[in-house]
Amino acid sequence: GEDVEQSLFLSVREGDSSVINCTYTDSSSTYLYWYKQEPGAGLQLLTYIFSNMDMKQDQRLTVLLNKKDKHLSLRIADTQTGDSAIYFCAESPAGGGNKLTFGTGTQLKVEL
Amino acid sequence: SAVISQKPSRDICQRGTSLTIQCQVDSQVTMMFWYRQQPGQSLTLIATANQGSEATYESGFVIDKFPISRPNLTFSTLTVSNMSPEDSSIYLCSVGHSNQETQYFGPGTRLLVL
Repeated sequence: GEDVEQSLFLSVREGDSSVINCTYTDSSSTYLYWYKQEPGAGLQLLTYIFSNMDMKQDQRLTVLLNKKDKHLSLRIADTQTGDSAIYFCAESPAGGGNKLTFGTGTQLKVEL
Repeated sequence: SAVISQKPSRDICQRGTSLTIQCQVDSQVTMMFWYRQQPGQSLTLIATANQGSEATYESGFVIDKFPISRPNLTFSTLTVSNMSPEDSSIYLCSVGHSNQETQYFGPGTRLLVL
């Protein structure tokens, strides 16, 4: 079955860039997503990328996709304390109308 | 994006009882899903709620334990039956369209079973 892996923790200083990594095994993954979960909250869709792209930028967020290595990353520029949260990557073979398989989640801690 | 609400937002229940969680969307959606997030864990899909027919369950989840209703395109319920402490989790509904890329999540229902 599908498997999506992430490192568990990342700590950065405020103002630095954060890079959260994700690897997946399903070669049929068509869409890859990044969600943010703040304490006590649901999941917020941050951004997503289609598998025929290798980069997508949205304000402070940059998503890089290496389809050959099945590696996805999320870069947050100028990280702020409000970015402290758990970040999940997820994959789907056919878009938002289908099952998402989630990674293990990366806890990002932003220190002053 | 769709606006999704869930009721209750949290509950504390006794073992052996059942809890029904509601998910309401502000617009008609093709697909509705129910996920479980156990403490400190990632999300796992329980089932796809199908409008007007029986839900489609993932491996490891059964209808007797997690009955699901979806009477229309904006509403679904998930019941957690005969609860045990192992059912303590966050239960999240999500919505999407079969012809769109995105899937949005509700705020979740935090369940503690004593």
